[in-house]
Amino acid sequence: QSVLTQPPSASGTPGQRLTISCSGSSSNIGGNIVHWYQQLPGTAPKLFIFSDNQRPSGVPDRFSGSKSGTSASLAISGLHSEDEADYYCASWDDSLTGWVFGGGTKVTVL
Amino acid sequence: EEQLVESGGGLEQPGRHLRLSCAASTFNFEDYAMHWVRQIPGKGLEWVCGISWNSVTIEYADSVKGRFTISRDNAKNFLYLQMNSLRAEDTAMYYCVKGYTVTTGGFDIWGRGTMVTVSS
Repeated sequence: QSVLTQPPSASGTPGQRLTISCSGSSSNIGGNIVHWYQQLPGTAPKLFIFSDNQRPSGVPDRFSGSKSGTSASLAISGLHSEDEADYYCASWDDSLTGWVFGGGTKVTVL
Repeated sequence: EEQLVESGGGLEQPGRHLRLSCAASTFNFEDYAMHWVRQIPGKGLEWVCGISWNSVTIEYADSVKGRFTISRDNAKNFLYLQMNSLRAEDTAMYYCVKGYTVTTGGFDIWGRGTMVTVSS
């Protein structure tokens, strides 16, 4: 059971808006920055959103991150077939003194 | 170009040990914290441990504390993970990951991983 809670799956049709939630607590998301990772099948994860809402170069601007209190979200506005992947949220946890990940959300484009 | 390349994985029996290595290139290795993150095939990500640029700050996940030791050699641009008293639940793909500090910064460079299987 992961410290950060994500829905195991999410799906949408091309062009649709999709939001993935990540719920934590005051010891992690509530007091520290959230990062998001994308993992395509058979590959290593890739940093996709850092510092709550910043996109590394190369990440399409249809992806955005936000945070409020002890929860964070990753939004995809205008779903593309190539967005099919697993997405993980992560944050430092002050109580556990370690990084914690969400269980991952598998995004499917119908 | 390969920036982080792991090696040392394989099949080992419970209770035995393995040493993973990670060769870094194309960035200033000595300036950044480094981490190991593992993933059981088909499952989620688990942070294992992290080490600061100067090896002063080291943190471990509770699941490996007292059994695993992370270290680095900045002169050689290498990161290591000494894994002792291996358990079946340590079976996973192990990724070498570049961070910023031990407690901050996203993991912005990942290796391809090295698979560790613990089984009798």
